[in-house]
Amino acid sequence: AQRVTQPEKLLSVFKGAPVELKCNYSYSGSPELFWYVQYSRQRLQLLLRHISRESIKGFTADLNKGETSFHLKKPFAQEEDSAMYYCALEGAQKLVFGQGTRLTINP
Amino acid sequence: TGVTQSPTHLIKTRGQQVTLSCSPISGHRSVSWYQQTPGQGLQFLFEYFSETQRNKGNFPGRFSGRQFSNSRSEMNVSTLELGDSALYLCASSLVDSENTIYFGEGSWLTVV
Repeated sequence: AQRVTQPEKLLSVFKGAPVELKCNYSYSGSPELFWYVQYSRQRLQLLLRHISRESIKGFTADLNKGETSFHLKKPFAQEEDSAMYYCALEGAQKLVFGQGTRLTINP
Repeated sequence: TGVTQSPTHLIKTRGQQVTLSCSPISGHRSVSWYQQTPGQGLQFLFEYFSETQRNKGNFPGRFSGRQFSNSRSEMNVSTLELGDSALYLCASSLVDSENTIYFGEGSWLTVV
C-alpha cells in the first residue's frame, strides 16, 4: 500500500533561518515523489518533483530510498514561503498525499 | 484558463445526493478527484481517462463519477452523510499523473 507521512502538522521558523519539512513514504515499487504547496487563498499547485532534481523558489528535495524519505529544504526562509505543504507519492496511477505541514515564517 | 469546478459552495441535507462538475484544462484527458477534510487531509477518490475510470480510492459506492467525451467530469455522492462535508478537488493532466497535474479551486460541500 502507498502511504505518505508528514510528521509535523505545524512548523514555525524565523525569516532567514533554514527550513526542513519532513516526508516519509511507504511503497513497494519505484516511487515518484512530489511536493505540492497551497498559499493562502490559492489553489493547490506543484512545487517540485524528485525526477526533475530542480530547485524551485529556493526549495530542494532529495529522494533517499534507504530512509524512504523526501524531505523539503530551503537554506533561508522567506515570509512568502508561509503556506501549506503536501508531500505526495505517485504509484499505480494514483497520487497519495500526506496530511500536510503548515509552515509559518515569522518576521 | 485553469481547471474550473462548480458549484463553488453548496449546502445539502443528509440523505440527499449531489453532483459536482469539473472542466479540465483544454487538451487534458486525465481527470482525478480528491476529498479534502481537516481530519483526513487529501484523499484520492478516482481518476478518469478517455471516459474510463482507471483507478479508484477507498471510498464507499455512494461516491461515483464519470467523464464525458470532451473530458469534462462529474462526481456524484448519493445518500449524503454529515461526514461527507469536505472540499472536493478536481485535478487534470495531459495523460496521467506523470505529467504535472493542475488543481481546481474546489467545491465546498456542507451536509447538514
